[in-house]
Amino acid sequence: DVKVTQSSRYLVKRTGEKVFLECVQDMDHENMFWYRQDPGLGLRLIYFSYDVKMKEKGDIPEGYSVSREKKERFSLILESASTNQTSMYLCAIAVGGDGYTFGSGTRLTVV
Amino acid sequence: DQQVKQNSPSLSVQEGRISILNCDYTNSMFDYFLWYKKYPAEGPTFLISISSIKDKNEDGRFTVFLNKSAKHLSLHIVPSQPGDSAVYFCAASERRNTDKLIFGTGTRLQVFP
Repeated sequence: DVKVTQSSRYLVKRTGEKVFLECVQDMDHENMFWYRQDPGLGLRLIYFSYDVKMKEKGDIPEGYSVSREKKERFSLILESASTNQTSMYLCAIAVGGDGYTFGSGTRLTVV
Repeated sequence: DQQVKQNSPSLSVQEGRISILNCDYTNSMFDYFLWYKKYPAEGPTFLISISSIKDKNEDGRFTVFLNKSAKHLSLHIVPSQPGDSAVYFCAASERRNTDKLIFGTGTRLQVFP
């Protein structure tokens, strides 16, 4: 089974800091996604990528950017963290018939 | 604009009974639907899916029903078990395998003894 690893389970950052969230897969899947999960709002798509150096905006890209220099790694960047970016961040890869495989998530708190 | 809606934020069911979770969508281009289950502090895990060419798909205790004319799908869990207590998300996409998934807001299911 494919494994999706998010580098941190919990992070606390200060307002204005630049924050990097890393996601690594152990296979050769092309399609990778970043979501955030908030109570009452479900999972909302931030950015996604269908290949190396390729990126597309999701539904809520404001305040975020991404980087995909290698196929196995997809990074989410908060350029200047704000308190409204406190959330659970989930990385996912598309694995064919069963939709996505998700990482365990990163709980980010911005203070 | 919420394209996938789960109008019940929570549901409480007795162990052994049926749990029915509902999901509505607005985009008629959606042709592939999935249900995910999420425990706290973990990522969502795939549960069951259905293509728009079908109206029912069954996997053990889990059955998903699709009513395309009503743009409605439901997940039935029979019999419900305490380990089923989790948040359930429905999701939809316009194309299977590669396209982005649009998720609903989630329903928290609690199964009590």
